Amino acid sequence: DGGITQSPKYLFRKEGQNVTLSCEQNLNHDAMYWYRQDPGQGLRLIYYSQIVNDFQKGDIAEGYSVSREKKESFPLTVTSAQKNPTAFYLCASSPGRRSSYNEQFFGPGTRLTVL
Amino acid sequence: KQEVTQIPAALSVPEGENLVLNCSFTDSAIYNLQWFRQDPGKGLTSLLLIQSSQREQTSGRLNASLDKSSGRSTLYIAASQPGDSATYLCASTHDMRFGAGTRLTVKP
Repeated sequence: DGGITQSPKYLFRKEGQNVTLSCEQNLNHDAMYWYRQDPGQGLRLIYYSQIVNDFQKGDIAEGYSVSREKKESFPLTVTSAQKNPTAFYLCASSPGRRSSYNEQFFGPGTRLTVL
Repeated sequence: KQEVTQIPAALSVPEGENLVLNCSFTDSAIYNLQWFRQDPGKGLTSLLLIQSSQREQTSGRLNASLDKSSGRSTLYIAASQPGDSATYLCASTHDMRFGAGTRLTVKP
């Protein structure tokens, strides 16, 4: 059953704590993305990766970090430097820009709450 | 920098009505336009993707069009049902730019 999985579904962070959100895909996609969604707003790009061992900052990368050591995995770490991390985090993947049909597919999301 | 806008933010219609959702973008050199559905607390489900060389795509009761010269895309939903109630987002996914969505309510 192909798709994108995100874990955990809910995550609670204490002040000064780093947390890591998991994203795994078995679609054999080259590109992966992390977005943040706040209530009533569209998605904002945090980081994206077009290929293994390479990633680029999006519009709101400050306070976040990522790695892309495997094609299937793109974990996102929310650091203590991110002052307002409470949001819904969505991971996506796509075949990549080399494909003319570069459709994005999304995981179920992780809701992060700061205590 | 591509900007994507969706108006209205919310729409309520009676069951059975045909409706159109609007999406505007600022850069006519758009590579593709993708429409998504999002249910409360869930991820996005891809509905249709229109490549820049295409003018429309159809899937069941859904039809999406793309007019690059006017900077507009529309999602047409025929014979709406209560199960269509959700937020619909459009995106220039090559630019990774999303609209804020239109929250659709279909009343029985």
